[in-house]
Amino acid sequence: DAMVIQNPRYQVTQFGKPVTLSCSQTLNHNVMYWYQQKSSQAPKLLFHYYDKDFNNEADTPDNFQSRRPNTSFCFLDIRSPGLGDAAMYLCATERTGQNTGELFFGEGSRLTVL
Amino acid sequence: DAKTTQPPSMDCAEGRAANLPCNHSTISGNEYVYWYRQIHSQGPQYIIHGLKNNETNEMASLIITEDRKSSTLILPHATLRDTAVYYCIVKAGANNLFFGTGTRLTVIP
Repeated sequence: DAMVIQNPRYQVTQFGKPVTLSCSQTLNHNVMYWYQQKSSQAPKLLFHYYDKDFNNEADTPDNFQSRRPNTSFCFLDIRSPGLGDAAMYLCATERTGQNTGELFFGEGSRLTVL
Repeated sequence: DAKTTQPPSMDCAEGRAANLPCNHSTISGNEYVYWYRQIHSQGPQYIIHGLKNNETNEMASLIITEDRKSSTLILPHATLRDTAVYYCIVKAGANNLFFGTGTRLTVIP
């Protein structure tokens, strides 16, 4: 059974129309990550939550926001998507303290911007 | 976190061992070596990690040189389903995971 579930798997939006991507986990992990992966590139870390503490990467655009209402759910909000935001968005979880460095990734949400 | 260098692509015959190299000459004492792979259109998948000893699990073996400046991921009997991009990452325990460019492994029938 999938442990990190992302919805929707495919999202089409219009230029400038807000989008929300969701991630849920059944692992009870305290850390959740959002990565952006553009075509033929490596995943790029946008931000992460350590419990309720939000940590933004320095080069993450202000257009990207995130919410984590509880341990199980995390949302990625793109306020005004541009053509350059078309990408696969990957959610991952980790339980810190176990020192495995093993992140559990979802299948991703592929965003198309028209 | 230390930077890694990997060949952009490699081929391997089905059933043979796939040996994927990674250079991490600036690795520091508290940094682990992690390997992930990403099959097309899926999320990355953890494979294995190590500090200085060689490691083996059900998926692969990790060989780390004595000076820790390089490592090799070994898939002992590659199958077509092992075709993927393989990422070698070094990081200290509490730091975030940053992906490099990886090696695209193609397993050939």
